[in-house]
Amino acid sequence: SAVISQKPSRDICQRGTSLTIQCQVDSQVTMMFWYRQQPGQSLTLIATANQGSEATYESGFVIDKFPISRPNLTFSTLTVSNMSPEDSSIYLCSVGGRQGAGDTQYFGPGTRLTVL
Amino acid sequence: AQSVTQLDSHVSVSEGTPVLLRCNYSSSYSPSLFWYVQHPNKGLQLLLKYTSAATLVKGINGFEAEFKKSETSFHLTKPSAHMSDAAEYFCVVRAKGTGTASKLTFGTGTRLQVTL
Repeated sequence: SAVISQKPSRDICQRGTSLTIQCQVDSQVTMMFWYRQQPGQSLTLIATANQGSEATYESGFVIDKFPISRPNLTFSTLTVSNMSPEDSSIYLCSVGGRQGAGDTQYFGPGTRLTVL
Repeated sequence: AQSVTQLDSHVSVSEGTPVLLRCNYSSSYSPSLFWYVQHPNKGLQLLLKYTSAATLVKGINGFEAEFKKSETSFHLTKPSAHMSDAAEYFCVVRAKGTGTASKLTFGTGTRLQVTL
């Protein structure tokens, strides 16, 4: 399986500020994704991070709120902008398209965000 | 369109007894199916996956699942529960042949409690 790291692992932020979360993979992967897991809930896909082009957002998520970068095949960032308490969640990075893994996605450890 | 229903939000078993976590899916195409486990304050770990090979899939830590197309089910089982199995379990479906990124649809999760 892929080794995926996320920074920070957790943070407590003030309302109105922004936080950038980093995701690093130990090898090149075709696909990178960002998910949100609200307290006590399942995972919801925010967007697909496309290398060299704009991310593809799911319904209900917009670029102004969740800008995403993917400068290469091993790294991506998600920014949570102008945060409110409703943004308090775990944000998870996942990767797919790893050689030999078929359509399996592997997940990072997540970033636990609390907005006051 | 695809969806997945986890029939139990919470399951409690005694250590050493069998585990059954139920999952039903709906998919317009032949699906790939996954079970992931999430331990408290940890990321998601892949338990097993079905991708149209053998219908009985064996995973890590003694878990297995059987794909039953006629019942549209993919229940997760383990013959004997261990205290370390206590966690949240997610059934996940991905439709094949969509021509899009590897979009996963998550169930709402089943919390497994293991008692002495």
